[in-house]
Amino acid sequence: AQSVTQPDIHITVSEGASLELRCNYSYGATPYLFWYVQSPGQGLQLLLKYFSGDTLVQGIKGFEAEFKRSQSSFNLRKPSVHWSDAAEYFCAVGAMGSGNTGKLIFGQGTTLQVKP
Amino acid sequence: ETGVTQTPRHLVMGMTNKKSLKCEQHLGHNAMYWYKQSAKKPLELMFVYNFKEQTENNSVPSRFSPECPNSSHLFLHLHTLQPEDSALYLCASSQDLGPYTEAFFGQGTRLTVV
Repeated sequence: AQSVTQPDIHITVSEGASLELRCNYSYGATPYLFWYVQSPGQGLQLLLKYFSGDTLVQGIKGFEAEFKRSQSSFNLRKPSVHWSDAAEYFCAVGAMGSGNTGKLIFGQGTTLQVKP
Repeated sequence: ETGVTQTPRHLVMGMTNKKSLKCEQHLGHNAMYWYKQSAKKPLELMFVYNFKEQTENNSVPSRFSPECPNSSHLFLHLHTLQPEDSALYLCASSQDLGPYTEAFFGQGTRLTVV
């Protein structure tokens, strides 16, 4: 079955430090992978996506993610975290649902706290 | 401004009430979705509509009744809910139903059932 696992429920980093959020997926075919961010009281906003090609993808707000097929991973990184990055981050895989319609399968999310 | 607007932002309702959630998208998309976001759980897809037709019902209890009068509007009618239905309900839209398609989300309706 298709699934997404984000092993870290909560992460705290200091402002200016580097960040890596982990994501592992289970999907038989070539995955379509997404990272979304949700600020408090807001909906989800797309940070970046991977469909094919270069396995290192760049997104908005200085984020990047690397697709590693051998590890079934799509980890999100940022070299220097800002206080405004504090939010909840969701990894998702685009999959085929019933009736051959596409759908997103989300991980449980990782809450990022940024210390001053 | 995400292009997807949900009203109300907050809703408190009793278990015997009937209420409706509204979602409107101004992006010209053809597909719309309802998701449920509960604490400590992944987002759960509830319903999918494409060109006003329901294409997926993810085993949602009948006390949740969706309605999609056109490609721009989506409603979720609620009746005789249970306290465990308290959650953030997110609406989303996308250009089409491909698994590669980016979804745009509204800010959600925070529902509390008392």
